[in-house]
Amino acid sequence: DTAVSQTPKYLVTQMGNDKSIKCEQNLGHDTMYWYKQDSKKFLKIMFSYNNKELIINETVPNRFSPKSPDKAHLNLHINSLELGDSAVYFCASRPGRSDTEAFFGQGTRLTVV
Amino acid sequence: AQSVSQHNHHVILSEAASLELGCNYSYGGTVNLFWYVQYPGQHLQLLLKYFSGDPLVKGIKGFEAEFIKSKFSFNLRKPSVQWSDTAEYFCAVNALGTYKYIFGTGTRLKVLA
Repeated sequence: DTAVSQTPKYLVTQMGNDKSIKCEQNLGHDTMYWYKQDSKKFLKIMFSYNNKELIINETVPNRFSPKSPDKAHLNLHINSLELGDSAVYFCASRPGRSDTEAFFGQGTRLTVV
Repeated sequence: AQSVSQHNHHVILSEAASLELGCNYSYGGTVNLFWYVQYPGQHLQLLLKYFSGDPLVKGIKGFEAEFIKSKFSFNLRKPSVQWSDTAEYFCAVNALGTYKYIFGTGTRLKVLA
């Protein structure tokens, strides 16, 4: 009964490949996020969608493309992977702009070799 | 734009010592404030949150935090830490009515048995 689930949990791939990470939430939330946590544990917001609409797009290389087929899903596709993309990617969801916290997935550890 | 800073990057304490982790935010308007904990290899879990009302909030595992509006601070405290509190601690801020949910750089706490 995981609230926010990400797949895969681990992903090892070669430079130059294209890969996707999937996120699903069963909380009925309207807003979903992608965060990148680097090796120093810094959590940087990348994207946010609200009801399938992109609302936050931080300074992220355009090799990263989020897609939200419906409000329960937010996927992250990464083209031409680079070594610097190695990180843990966390998905989160929240009920819009209300006074509530964000709920996080387990994370996807991406290693680019 | 909102931002969050955590000044203590690494903290080492002995068991039973008291803990205080600093968190300051930068934003002129009303904010929601959060503390999360991340145990090694795990996802973020909410410790406590402040939306309004009593500025002293109590969370799980014996943690509490105090919102001091005049100082733009939301420091995390625990009277007596345990070895199991060894983890990374993150402060987060959300400007009221917005989607942005921003994290501080984190504080790594190590508790010695």
